[in-house]
Amino acid sequence: GAVVSQHPSRVICKSGTSVKIECRSLDFQATTMFWYRQFPKKSLMLMATSNEGSKATYEQGVEKDKFLINHASLTLSTLTVTSAHPEDSSFYICSASAGSTNQPQHFGDGTRLSIL
Amino acid sequence: AQKITQTQPGMFVQEKEAVTLDCTYDTSDPSYGLFWYKQPSSGEMIFLIYQGSYDQQNATEGRYSLNFQKARKSANLVISASQLGDSAMYFCAMSFGGSQGNLIFGKGTKLSVKP
Repeated sequence: GAVVSQHPSRVICKSGTSVKIECRSLDFQATTMFWYRQFPKKSLMLMATSNEGSKATYEQGVEKDKFLINHASLTLSTLTVTSAHPEDSSFYICSASAGSTNQPQHFGDGTRLSIL
Repeated sequence: AQKITQTQPGMFVQEKEAVTLDCTYDTSDPSYGLFWYKQPSSGEMIFLIYQGSYDQQNATEGRYSLNFQKARKSANLVISASQLGDSAMYFCAMSFGGSQGNLIFGKGTKLSVKP
């Protein structure tokens, strides 16, 4: 099946640091990638949708300048949490879609971000 | 507005028995897809099964089957012969608008399989 690789799986860093998370589709071209945030024992919350070569579409309430998304190629999207603070600590998970019908989104394994 | 509802925060099932996880949805879009994902404690989201709104037959994938009742707007997941490894969070999700984007998720059901 389709494989999506997300890296790193876990990050612990100091407040004020910027953190970059990578999401790669390994065996298919992902026209669209999605970034989700998940709080403990909660469902996934869509943060933004990114299409290759264009600006990401952010969901209401998600700060564009805080969560920078780049989708430079059909196999790679990155999420950068800029000047991270403890309230940004969360589980971030990406997914990728080939854009065709009847195909599910395929998820990365997620990144657990802890800001001290 | 589109909405997914999972009313069971937690479920218990005895090993080797079948269990049904409930999911209802609401959309005015005639074209939509329904998905079930499994999330173990390690965090990854594992795709289980898909049902398209125009599919005539209920989807099946191994021990997973989707009980799709379009008139009632329900898409319950049935897991047969439960295994200890089935213990996880299960999320129902819906895509709409004829695309695979904009998945919305239910709140999830935590399934615990008892030996």
